Amino acid sequence: ETGVTQTPRHLVMGMTNKKSLKCEQHLGHNAMYWYKQSAKKPLELMFVYSLEERVENNSVPSRFSPECPNSSHLFLHLHTLQPEDSALYLCASSQDNNGLSRDTEAFFGQGTRLTVV
Amino acid sequence: AQSVSQHNHHVILSEAASLELGCNYSYGGTVNLFWYVQYPGQHLQLLLKYFSGDPLVKGIKGFEAEFIKSKFSFNLRKPSVQWSDTAEYFCAVTPRNSGNTPLVFGKGTRLSVIA
Repeated sequence: ETGVTQTPRHLVMGMTNKKSLKCEQHLGHNAMYWYKQSAKKPLELMFVYSLEERVENNSVPSRFSPECPNSSHLFLHLHTLQPEDSALYLCASSQDNNGLSRDTEAFFGQGTRLTVV
Repeated sequence: AQSVSQHNHHVILSEAASLELGCNYSYGGTVNLFWYVQYPGQHLQLLLKYFSGDPLVKGIKGFEAEFIKSKFSFNLRKPSVQWSDTAEYFCAVTPRNSGNTPLVFGKGTRLSVIA
């Protein structure tokens, strides 16, 4: 248990469906992240939220829409996905102190294994 | 932008063999460095981290890593691996003093330890 919980653990969806991934952190952190983990590729940073504001969007297609209603919750809304979007989606949180704190390591959830059919 | 290179995609070792996984990063400024491990079916876990001070860092489960600034490297080592070390290992970097500091990861190295 890392203090970062993701639901659901597995999701199969059709290309015309709309679904959402949920992430919750119980660590009191002020920054949350979505990463995509595909086979044989580095973990790809998708979105960064710091103090509930989106601070980074790494050219992610608009069919992925993040939402951060408060510092403990992060969502990833999915619609009209493609089969190549099948991957493990990881949520992480950290305490952002401008990189000076010794607590800037990120804690990860177990991920949501997404399959688009 | 910073990037991380991990030289080996898949390493196969016998139990008790020594391990060294390479990691190089590209970034001109000061960085924080990390090694994460992902055991089969589990979440990413921090093995060790380097922020400053002694460049030889000790982590959990007998792992250590050495930061060599001149080589932009942060290689992971373990003198004697066990079957339970079978996992995927990720090197990551984040620049210091740059506001929000998300991690940038390498592609990962899969380690298979056989009896």
